[in-house]
Amino acid sequence: AQKITQTQPGMFVQEKEAVTLDCTYDTSDPSYGLFWYKQPSSGEMIFLIYQGSYDQQNATEGRYSLNFQKARKSANLVISASQLGDSAMYFCAMREGNTGGFKTIFGAGTRLFVKA
Amino acid sequence: NAGVTQTPKFRVLKTGQSMTLLCAQDMNHEYMYWYRQDPGMGLRLIHYSVGEGTTAKGEVPDGYNVSRLKKQNFLLGLESAAPSQTSVYFCASRTGASVGEQYFGPGTRLTVT
Repeated sequence: AQKITQTQPGMFVQEKEAVTLDCTYDTSDPSYGLFWYKQPSSGEMIFLIYQGSYDQQNATEGRYSLNFQKARKSANLVISASQLGDSAMYFCAMREGNTGGFKTIFGAGTRLFVKA
Repeated sequence: NAGVTQTPKFRVLKTGQSMTLLCAQDMNHEYMYWYRQDPGMGLRLIHYSVGEGTTAKGEVPDGYNVSRLKKQNFLLGLESAAPSQTSVYFCASRTGASVGEQYFGPGTRLTVT
């Protein structure tokens, strides 16, 4: 069964510094996708970045990058130059491509606090 | 283009009452999902659908039923609400493409007393 683990319940970062949010996953399916979502205090879920299991390069989207280490089964989110507006909950998610019926499973989340 | 909408936004039920949450999307997406979000537990998948007329169980399906009679709508039913079903419920949809991200609705906050 697929599983997503986020071991950091909360993280603090100084404004303008970079921060890494950890995510490890477990799957036996060779085809899968990894996602990161942001949930600000207003409650909506915002898609940030996607990494496919067969992608050769780490995904990047603006200030967001995904540090994909396939052998270690980790997909950490790196936020560069943190801003106050980055304070939010961050969820890592995985979807198995060949099995699991294309379900997307989420981790428990990490709450990020950006300090001025 | 409204994206994904959920009705209602808030609801308070008494134990044993029933209700239906409606999710609607106008993006012609094939896949639709219902999640519940509880503190410290992230989003847990309740049921999902890969197309009109089809549904499947997720991680926590007990106490819920769903229907997808029309492609744009995905209904989540609680036949006999329990306090353990107090949660925030999110609906999401996506295309059939394997890399498609999910688009989420704004959520429904349900309290069962």
